[in-house]
Amino acid sequence: QKEVEQNSGPLSVPEGAIASLNCTYSDRGSQSFFWYRQYSGKSPELIMFIYSNGDKEDGRFTAQLNKASQYVSLLIRDSQPSDSATYLCAVGGFQKLVFGTGTRLLVSP
Amino acid sequence: KAGVTQTPRYLIKTRGQQVTLSCSPISGHRSVSWYQQTPGQGLQFLFEYFSETQRNKGNFPGRFSGRQFSNSRSEMNVSTLELGDSALYLCASSAPGTSGALGGTDTQYFGPGTRLTVL
Repeated sequence: QKEVEQNSGPLSVPEGAIASLNCTYSDRGSQSFFWYRQYSGKSPELIMFIYSNGDKEDGRFTAQLNKASQYVSLLIRDSQPSDSATYLCAVGGFQKLVFGTGTRLLVSP
Repeated sequence: KAGVTQTPRYLIKTRGQQVTLSCSPISGHRSVSWYQQTPGQGLQFLFEYFSETQRNKGNFPGRFSGRQFSNSRSEMNVSTLELGDSALYLCASSAPGTSGALGGTDTQYFGPGTRLTVL
């Protein structure tokens, strides 16, 4: 069983729609949760981090965490073609970070 | 504030050679983590250094080693290169106290990476 699981996609959404990206993790002791965006040929860029159960909003992005269900999600509102990238979920504990393999998002104009 | 820098950006080596990659963290960051990214395996953790000490280590062979200097700059070395070592090597730096929770992981910011090709 992979430690951090994501659907590889691609997830295709039209411009202006809400994109929903999901991630599950296996280590119940995990305390820190991150979403990174990676464009092709580039390095990962931090989008958001969340530590507590519930929702955290930052502009068009909302991260949701449910530790009981071991589930993290990222919602992107008003999706733009420039949001087309691979989104990496990362789960941390005791200064180690484990990444999922990423979900590829395609936003069509 | 300048971001994480990595040198060189691209590297071509042949099997059996060794290579050293360098990473300069964001000013004030004391932790540097190294990752290997390949299309098949995704991002795999190599090791993490904090205040010149290796604090965590991933499941890579001993050919992969690293160190951190007193100015927090870090180097990663791979000896006896194999074809399978071809990958994007990423370093990330973090500041202490940004994990949000006891037992968490500080927020990491990535450099642009070094693309290593082994022929």
